[in-house]
Amino acid sequence: AQSVAQPEDQVNVAEGNPLTVKCTYSVSGNPYLFWYVQYPNRGLQFLLKYITGDNLVKGSYGFEAEFNKSQTSFHLKKPSALVSDSALYFCAVRDKAGNTPLVFGKGTRLSVIA
Amino acid sequence: DSGVTQTPKHLITATGQRVTLRCSPRSGDLSVYWYQQSLDQGLQFLIQYYNGEERAKGNILERFSAQQFPDLHSELNLSSLELGDSALYFCASSVGDWGTGELFFGEGSRLTVL
Repeated sequence: AQSVAQPEDQVNVAEGNPLTVKCTYSVSGNPYLFWYVQYPNRGLQFLLKYITGDNLVKGSYGFEAEFNKSQTSFHLKKPSALVSDSALYFCAVRDKAGNTPLVFGKGTRLSVIA
Repeated sequence: DSGVTQTPKHLITATGQRVTLRCSPRSGDLSVYWYQQSLDQGLQFLIQYYNGEERAKGNILERFSAQQFPDLHSELNLSSLELGDSALYFCASSVGDWGTGELFFGEGSRLTVL
């Protein structure tokens, strides 16, 4: 079965500092990996995805994530945080093999302090 | 705006009642997915339809059912409601099947069962 772990419920970072939101995953085969963001009273929005190829994936709003197969991780990063980045971030995974659903982590609340 | 429309946005009802949540996918999208978001369980996949046919089933209770109509809109029916069914219900859509594409989420229907 597929699963995603986001070990931190909350991450606090000062504006202008780099941010990292952690994600580890478990699939039986090879993964497709995604990050989504949810702003208050809104639906989830796609940020970026890893399908194959370069382990460093760049996405919307200056976010990037690095796929690490040996550590089964897909951490989300941004070099310089903005107050407007404050939101709930979800990591998601699905197995490349078969018609398997997209499984989400429980989310990490990012708070960027001015 | 993701292009996915969900109605109603808010719904308050009593235990034992039945409600219907409606979702219109993005124009051209054939797949519709339903997810339940609660504080303790996170985002749980319920069910997926592709071009009118049920494609994948997750943790959907027997009291819940869904369908996708010929015009591709979908409805999620929740019956014999219990307090624990209070949650945010998201619909998402995509062009094809799960694949490698991202999902586009609506803003959700918040159900409160009293």
